[in-house]
Amino acid sequence: QITLKESGPTLVKPTQTLTLTCAFSGFSLSTSGVAVGWIRQPPGKALEWLALIYWDDTKHYSPSLKTRLTITKDTSKNQVVLTMTNMDPVDTATYYCAHRRADSDFWYFDYWGQGTLVTVSS
Amino acid sequence: EIVLTQSPDFQSVTPKEKVTITCRASQSIGSYLHWYQQKPDQSPKLLIKSASQSFSGVPSRFSGSGSGTDFTLTINGLEAEDAATYYCHQSHSFPLTFGGGTKVEIK
Repeated sequence: QITLKESGPTLVKPTQTLTLTCAFSGFSLSTSGVAVGWIRQPPGKALEWLALIYWDDTKHYSPSLKTRLTITKDTSKNQVVLTMTNMDPVDTATYYCAHRRADSDFWYFDYWGQGTLVTVSS
Repeated sequence: EIVLTQSPDFQSVTPKEKVTITCRASQSIGSYLHWYQQKPDQSPKLLIKSASQSFSGVPSRFSGSGSGTDFTLTINGLEAEDAATYYCHQSHSFPLTFGGGTKVEIK
């Protein structure tokens, strides 16, 4: 059974750096064909993909946020960490991590964490 | 960037009715299109993968079709528990993108 859970601060100040941790179980990020991604959702708005890391440490970032994002993995701890620098009130959102798998040539997010709401305010 | 445009934005439907949601991609994405259901205060759940394949455990009333640029999610016989926002998502190329969502309300 695959589960993921996000953790981190619920409130950050503008210009601060946000660090979120995704703790997962039921799979290994050292297994071929596996990835973990981060997606966020501002209140009442649509989903926005942020970053992705593969089992082989290949990383992808949203071009609009690339300069502010860093995604890393700790395979021994079954964790993925996302850092976002220079936080702004517009970054207020629920942040999700999700398991991504390959099915033949098709990759998709099949399991999501419960999400964590991050508010950016002074 | 591939833009996904969903329609309608909102739909109010009577139980047992058929619901059709469309997702149009700004360029051809083959079958690299997936559908998610998000109920209020919950995380998204995968319904349909690769345009038309049902994910494990998803009720058979949910189905998907399409390829290239035009895709459809159909709910045959809406049930009260289907009240949610539905999103399409493309994995054809980076950056990964999602549609704007379609909110389905039960009349």
